[in-house]
Amino acid sequence: RKEVEQDPGPFNVPEGATVAFNCTYSNSASQSFFWYRQDCRKEPKLLMSVYSSGNEDGRFTAQLNRASQYISLLIRDSKLSDSATYLCVVKIGGYNKLIFGAGTRLAVHP
Amino acid sequence: EADIYQTPRYLVIGTGKKITLECSQTMGHDKMYWYQQDPGMELHLIHYSYGVNSTEKGDLSSESTVSRIRTEHFPLTLESARPSHTSQYLCASSERGQGPQIYNEQFFGPGTRLTVL
Repeated sequence: RKEVEQDPGPFNVPEGATVAFNCTYSNSASQSFFWYRQDCRKEPKLLMSVYSSGNEDGRFTAQLNRASQYISLLIRDSKLSDSATYLCVVKIGGYNKLIFGAGTRLAVHP
Repeated sequence: EADIYQTPRYLVIGTGKKITLECSQTMGHDKMYWYQQDPGMELHLIHYSYGVNSTEKGDLSSESTVSRIRTEHFPLTLESARPSHTSQYLCASSERGQGPQIYNEQFFGPGTRLTVL
């Protein structure tokens, strides 16, 4: 079983739609949680950290449920430029080592 | 934009050749990492370093080796390339954390796409 599981998609949505991605992790010792964005054939870039109380950054909202070991990302008012792969990432232990999910692909169309 | 560079960006090479993938960062970061990513798959950590003369193997076994003689430079070497080494190799760096609970963002280079024929 993979340590971080994501629905690979693709999610095909029209501009303006709201879309939600889910992620589950298996290691209960996971300490920190993140969403990274990876454009096609590019490097990953940090989108946002995920805090226990949930957090929002503009059109993006992240939620964490430690009891269920579940993380979500909600994107409101989707833009064409949101088309990318969204990687769920967890940090285990104290040494800044990250475990990446395989990503969920989002395609926003006009 | 992150100041982390990788060369070459693309490399096609024959089996048995020795190759070195270069990675440099100008941010003064202590920590550096090498990941391997196949198309549509997750990144896997293959090597990391906490500073000069520090190197550790990552979670995914790799036949490659690394060195960290200078803070800004973290090259990866394959002594004898094989088709199974065909993949994308991503280098990353981060600042030294202030404690085990502190996460410092990892900045990624653009990657090297390696094809071994």
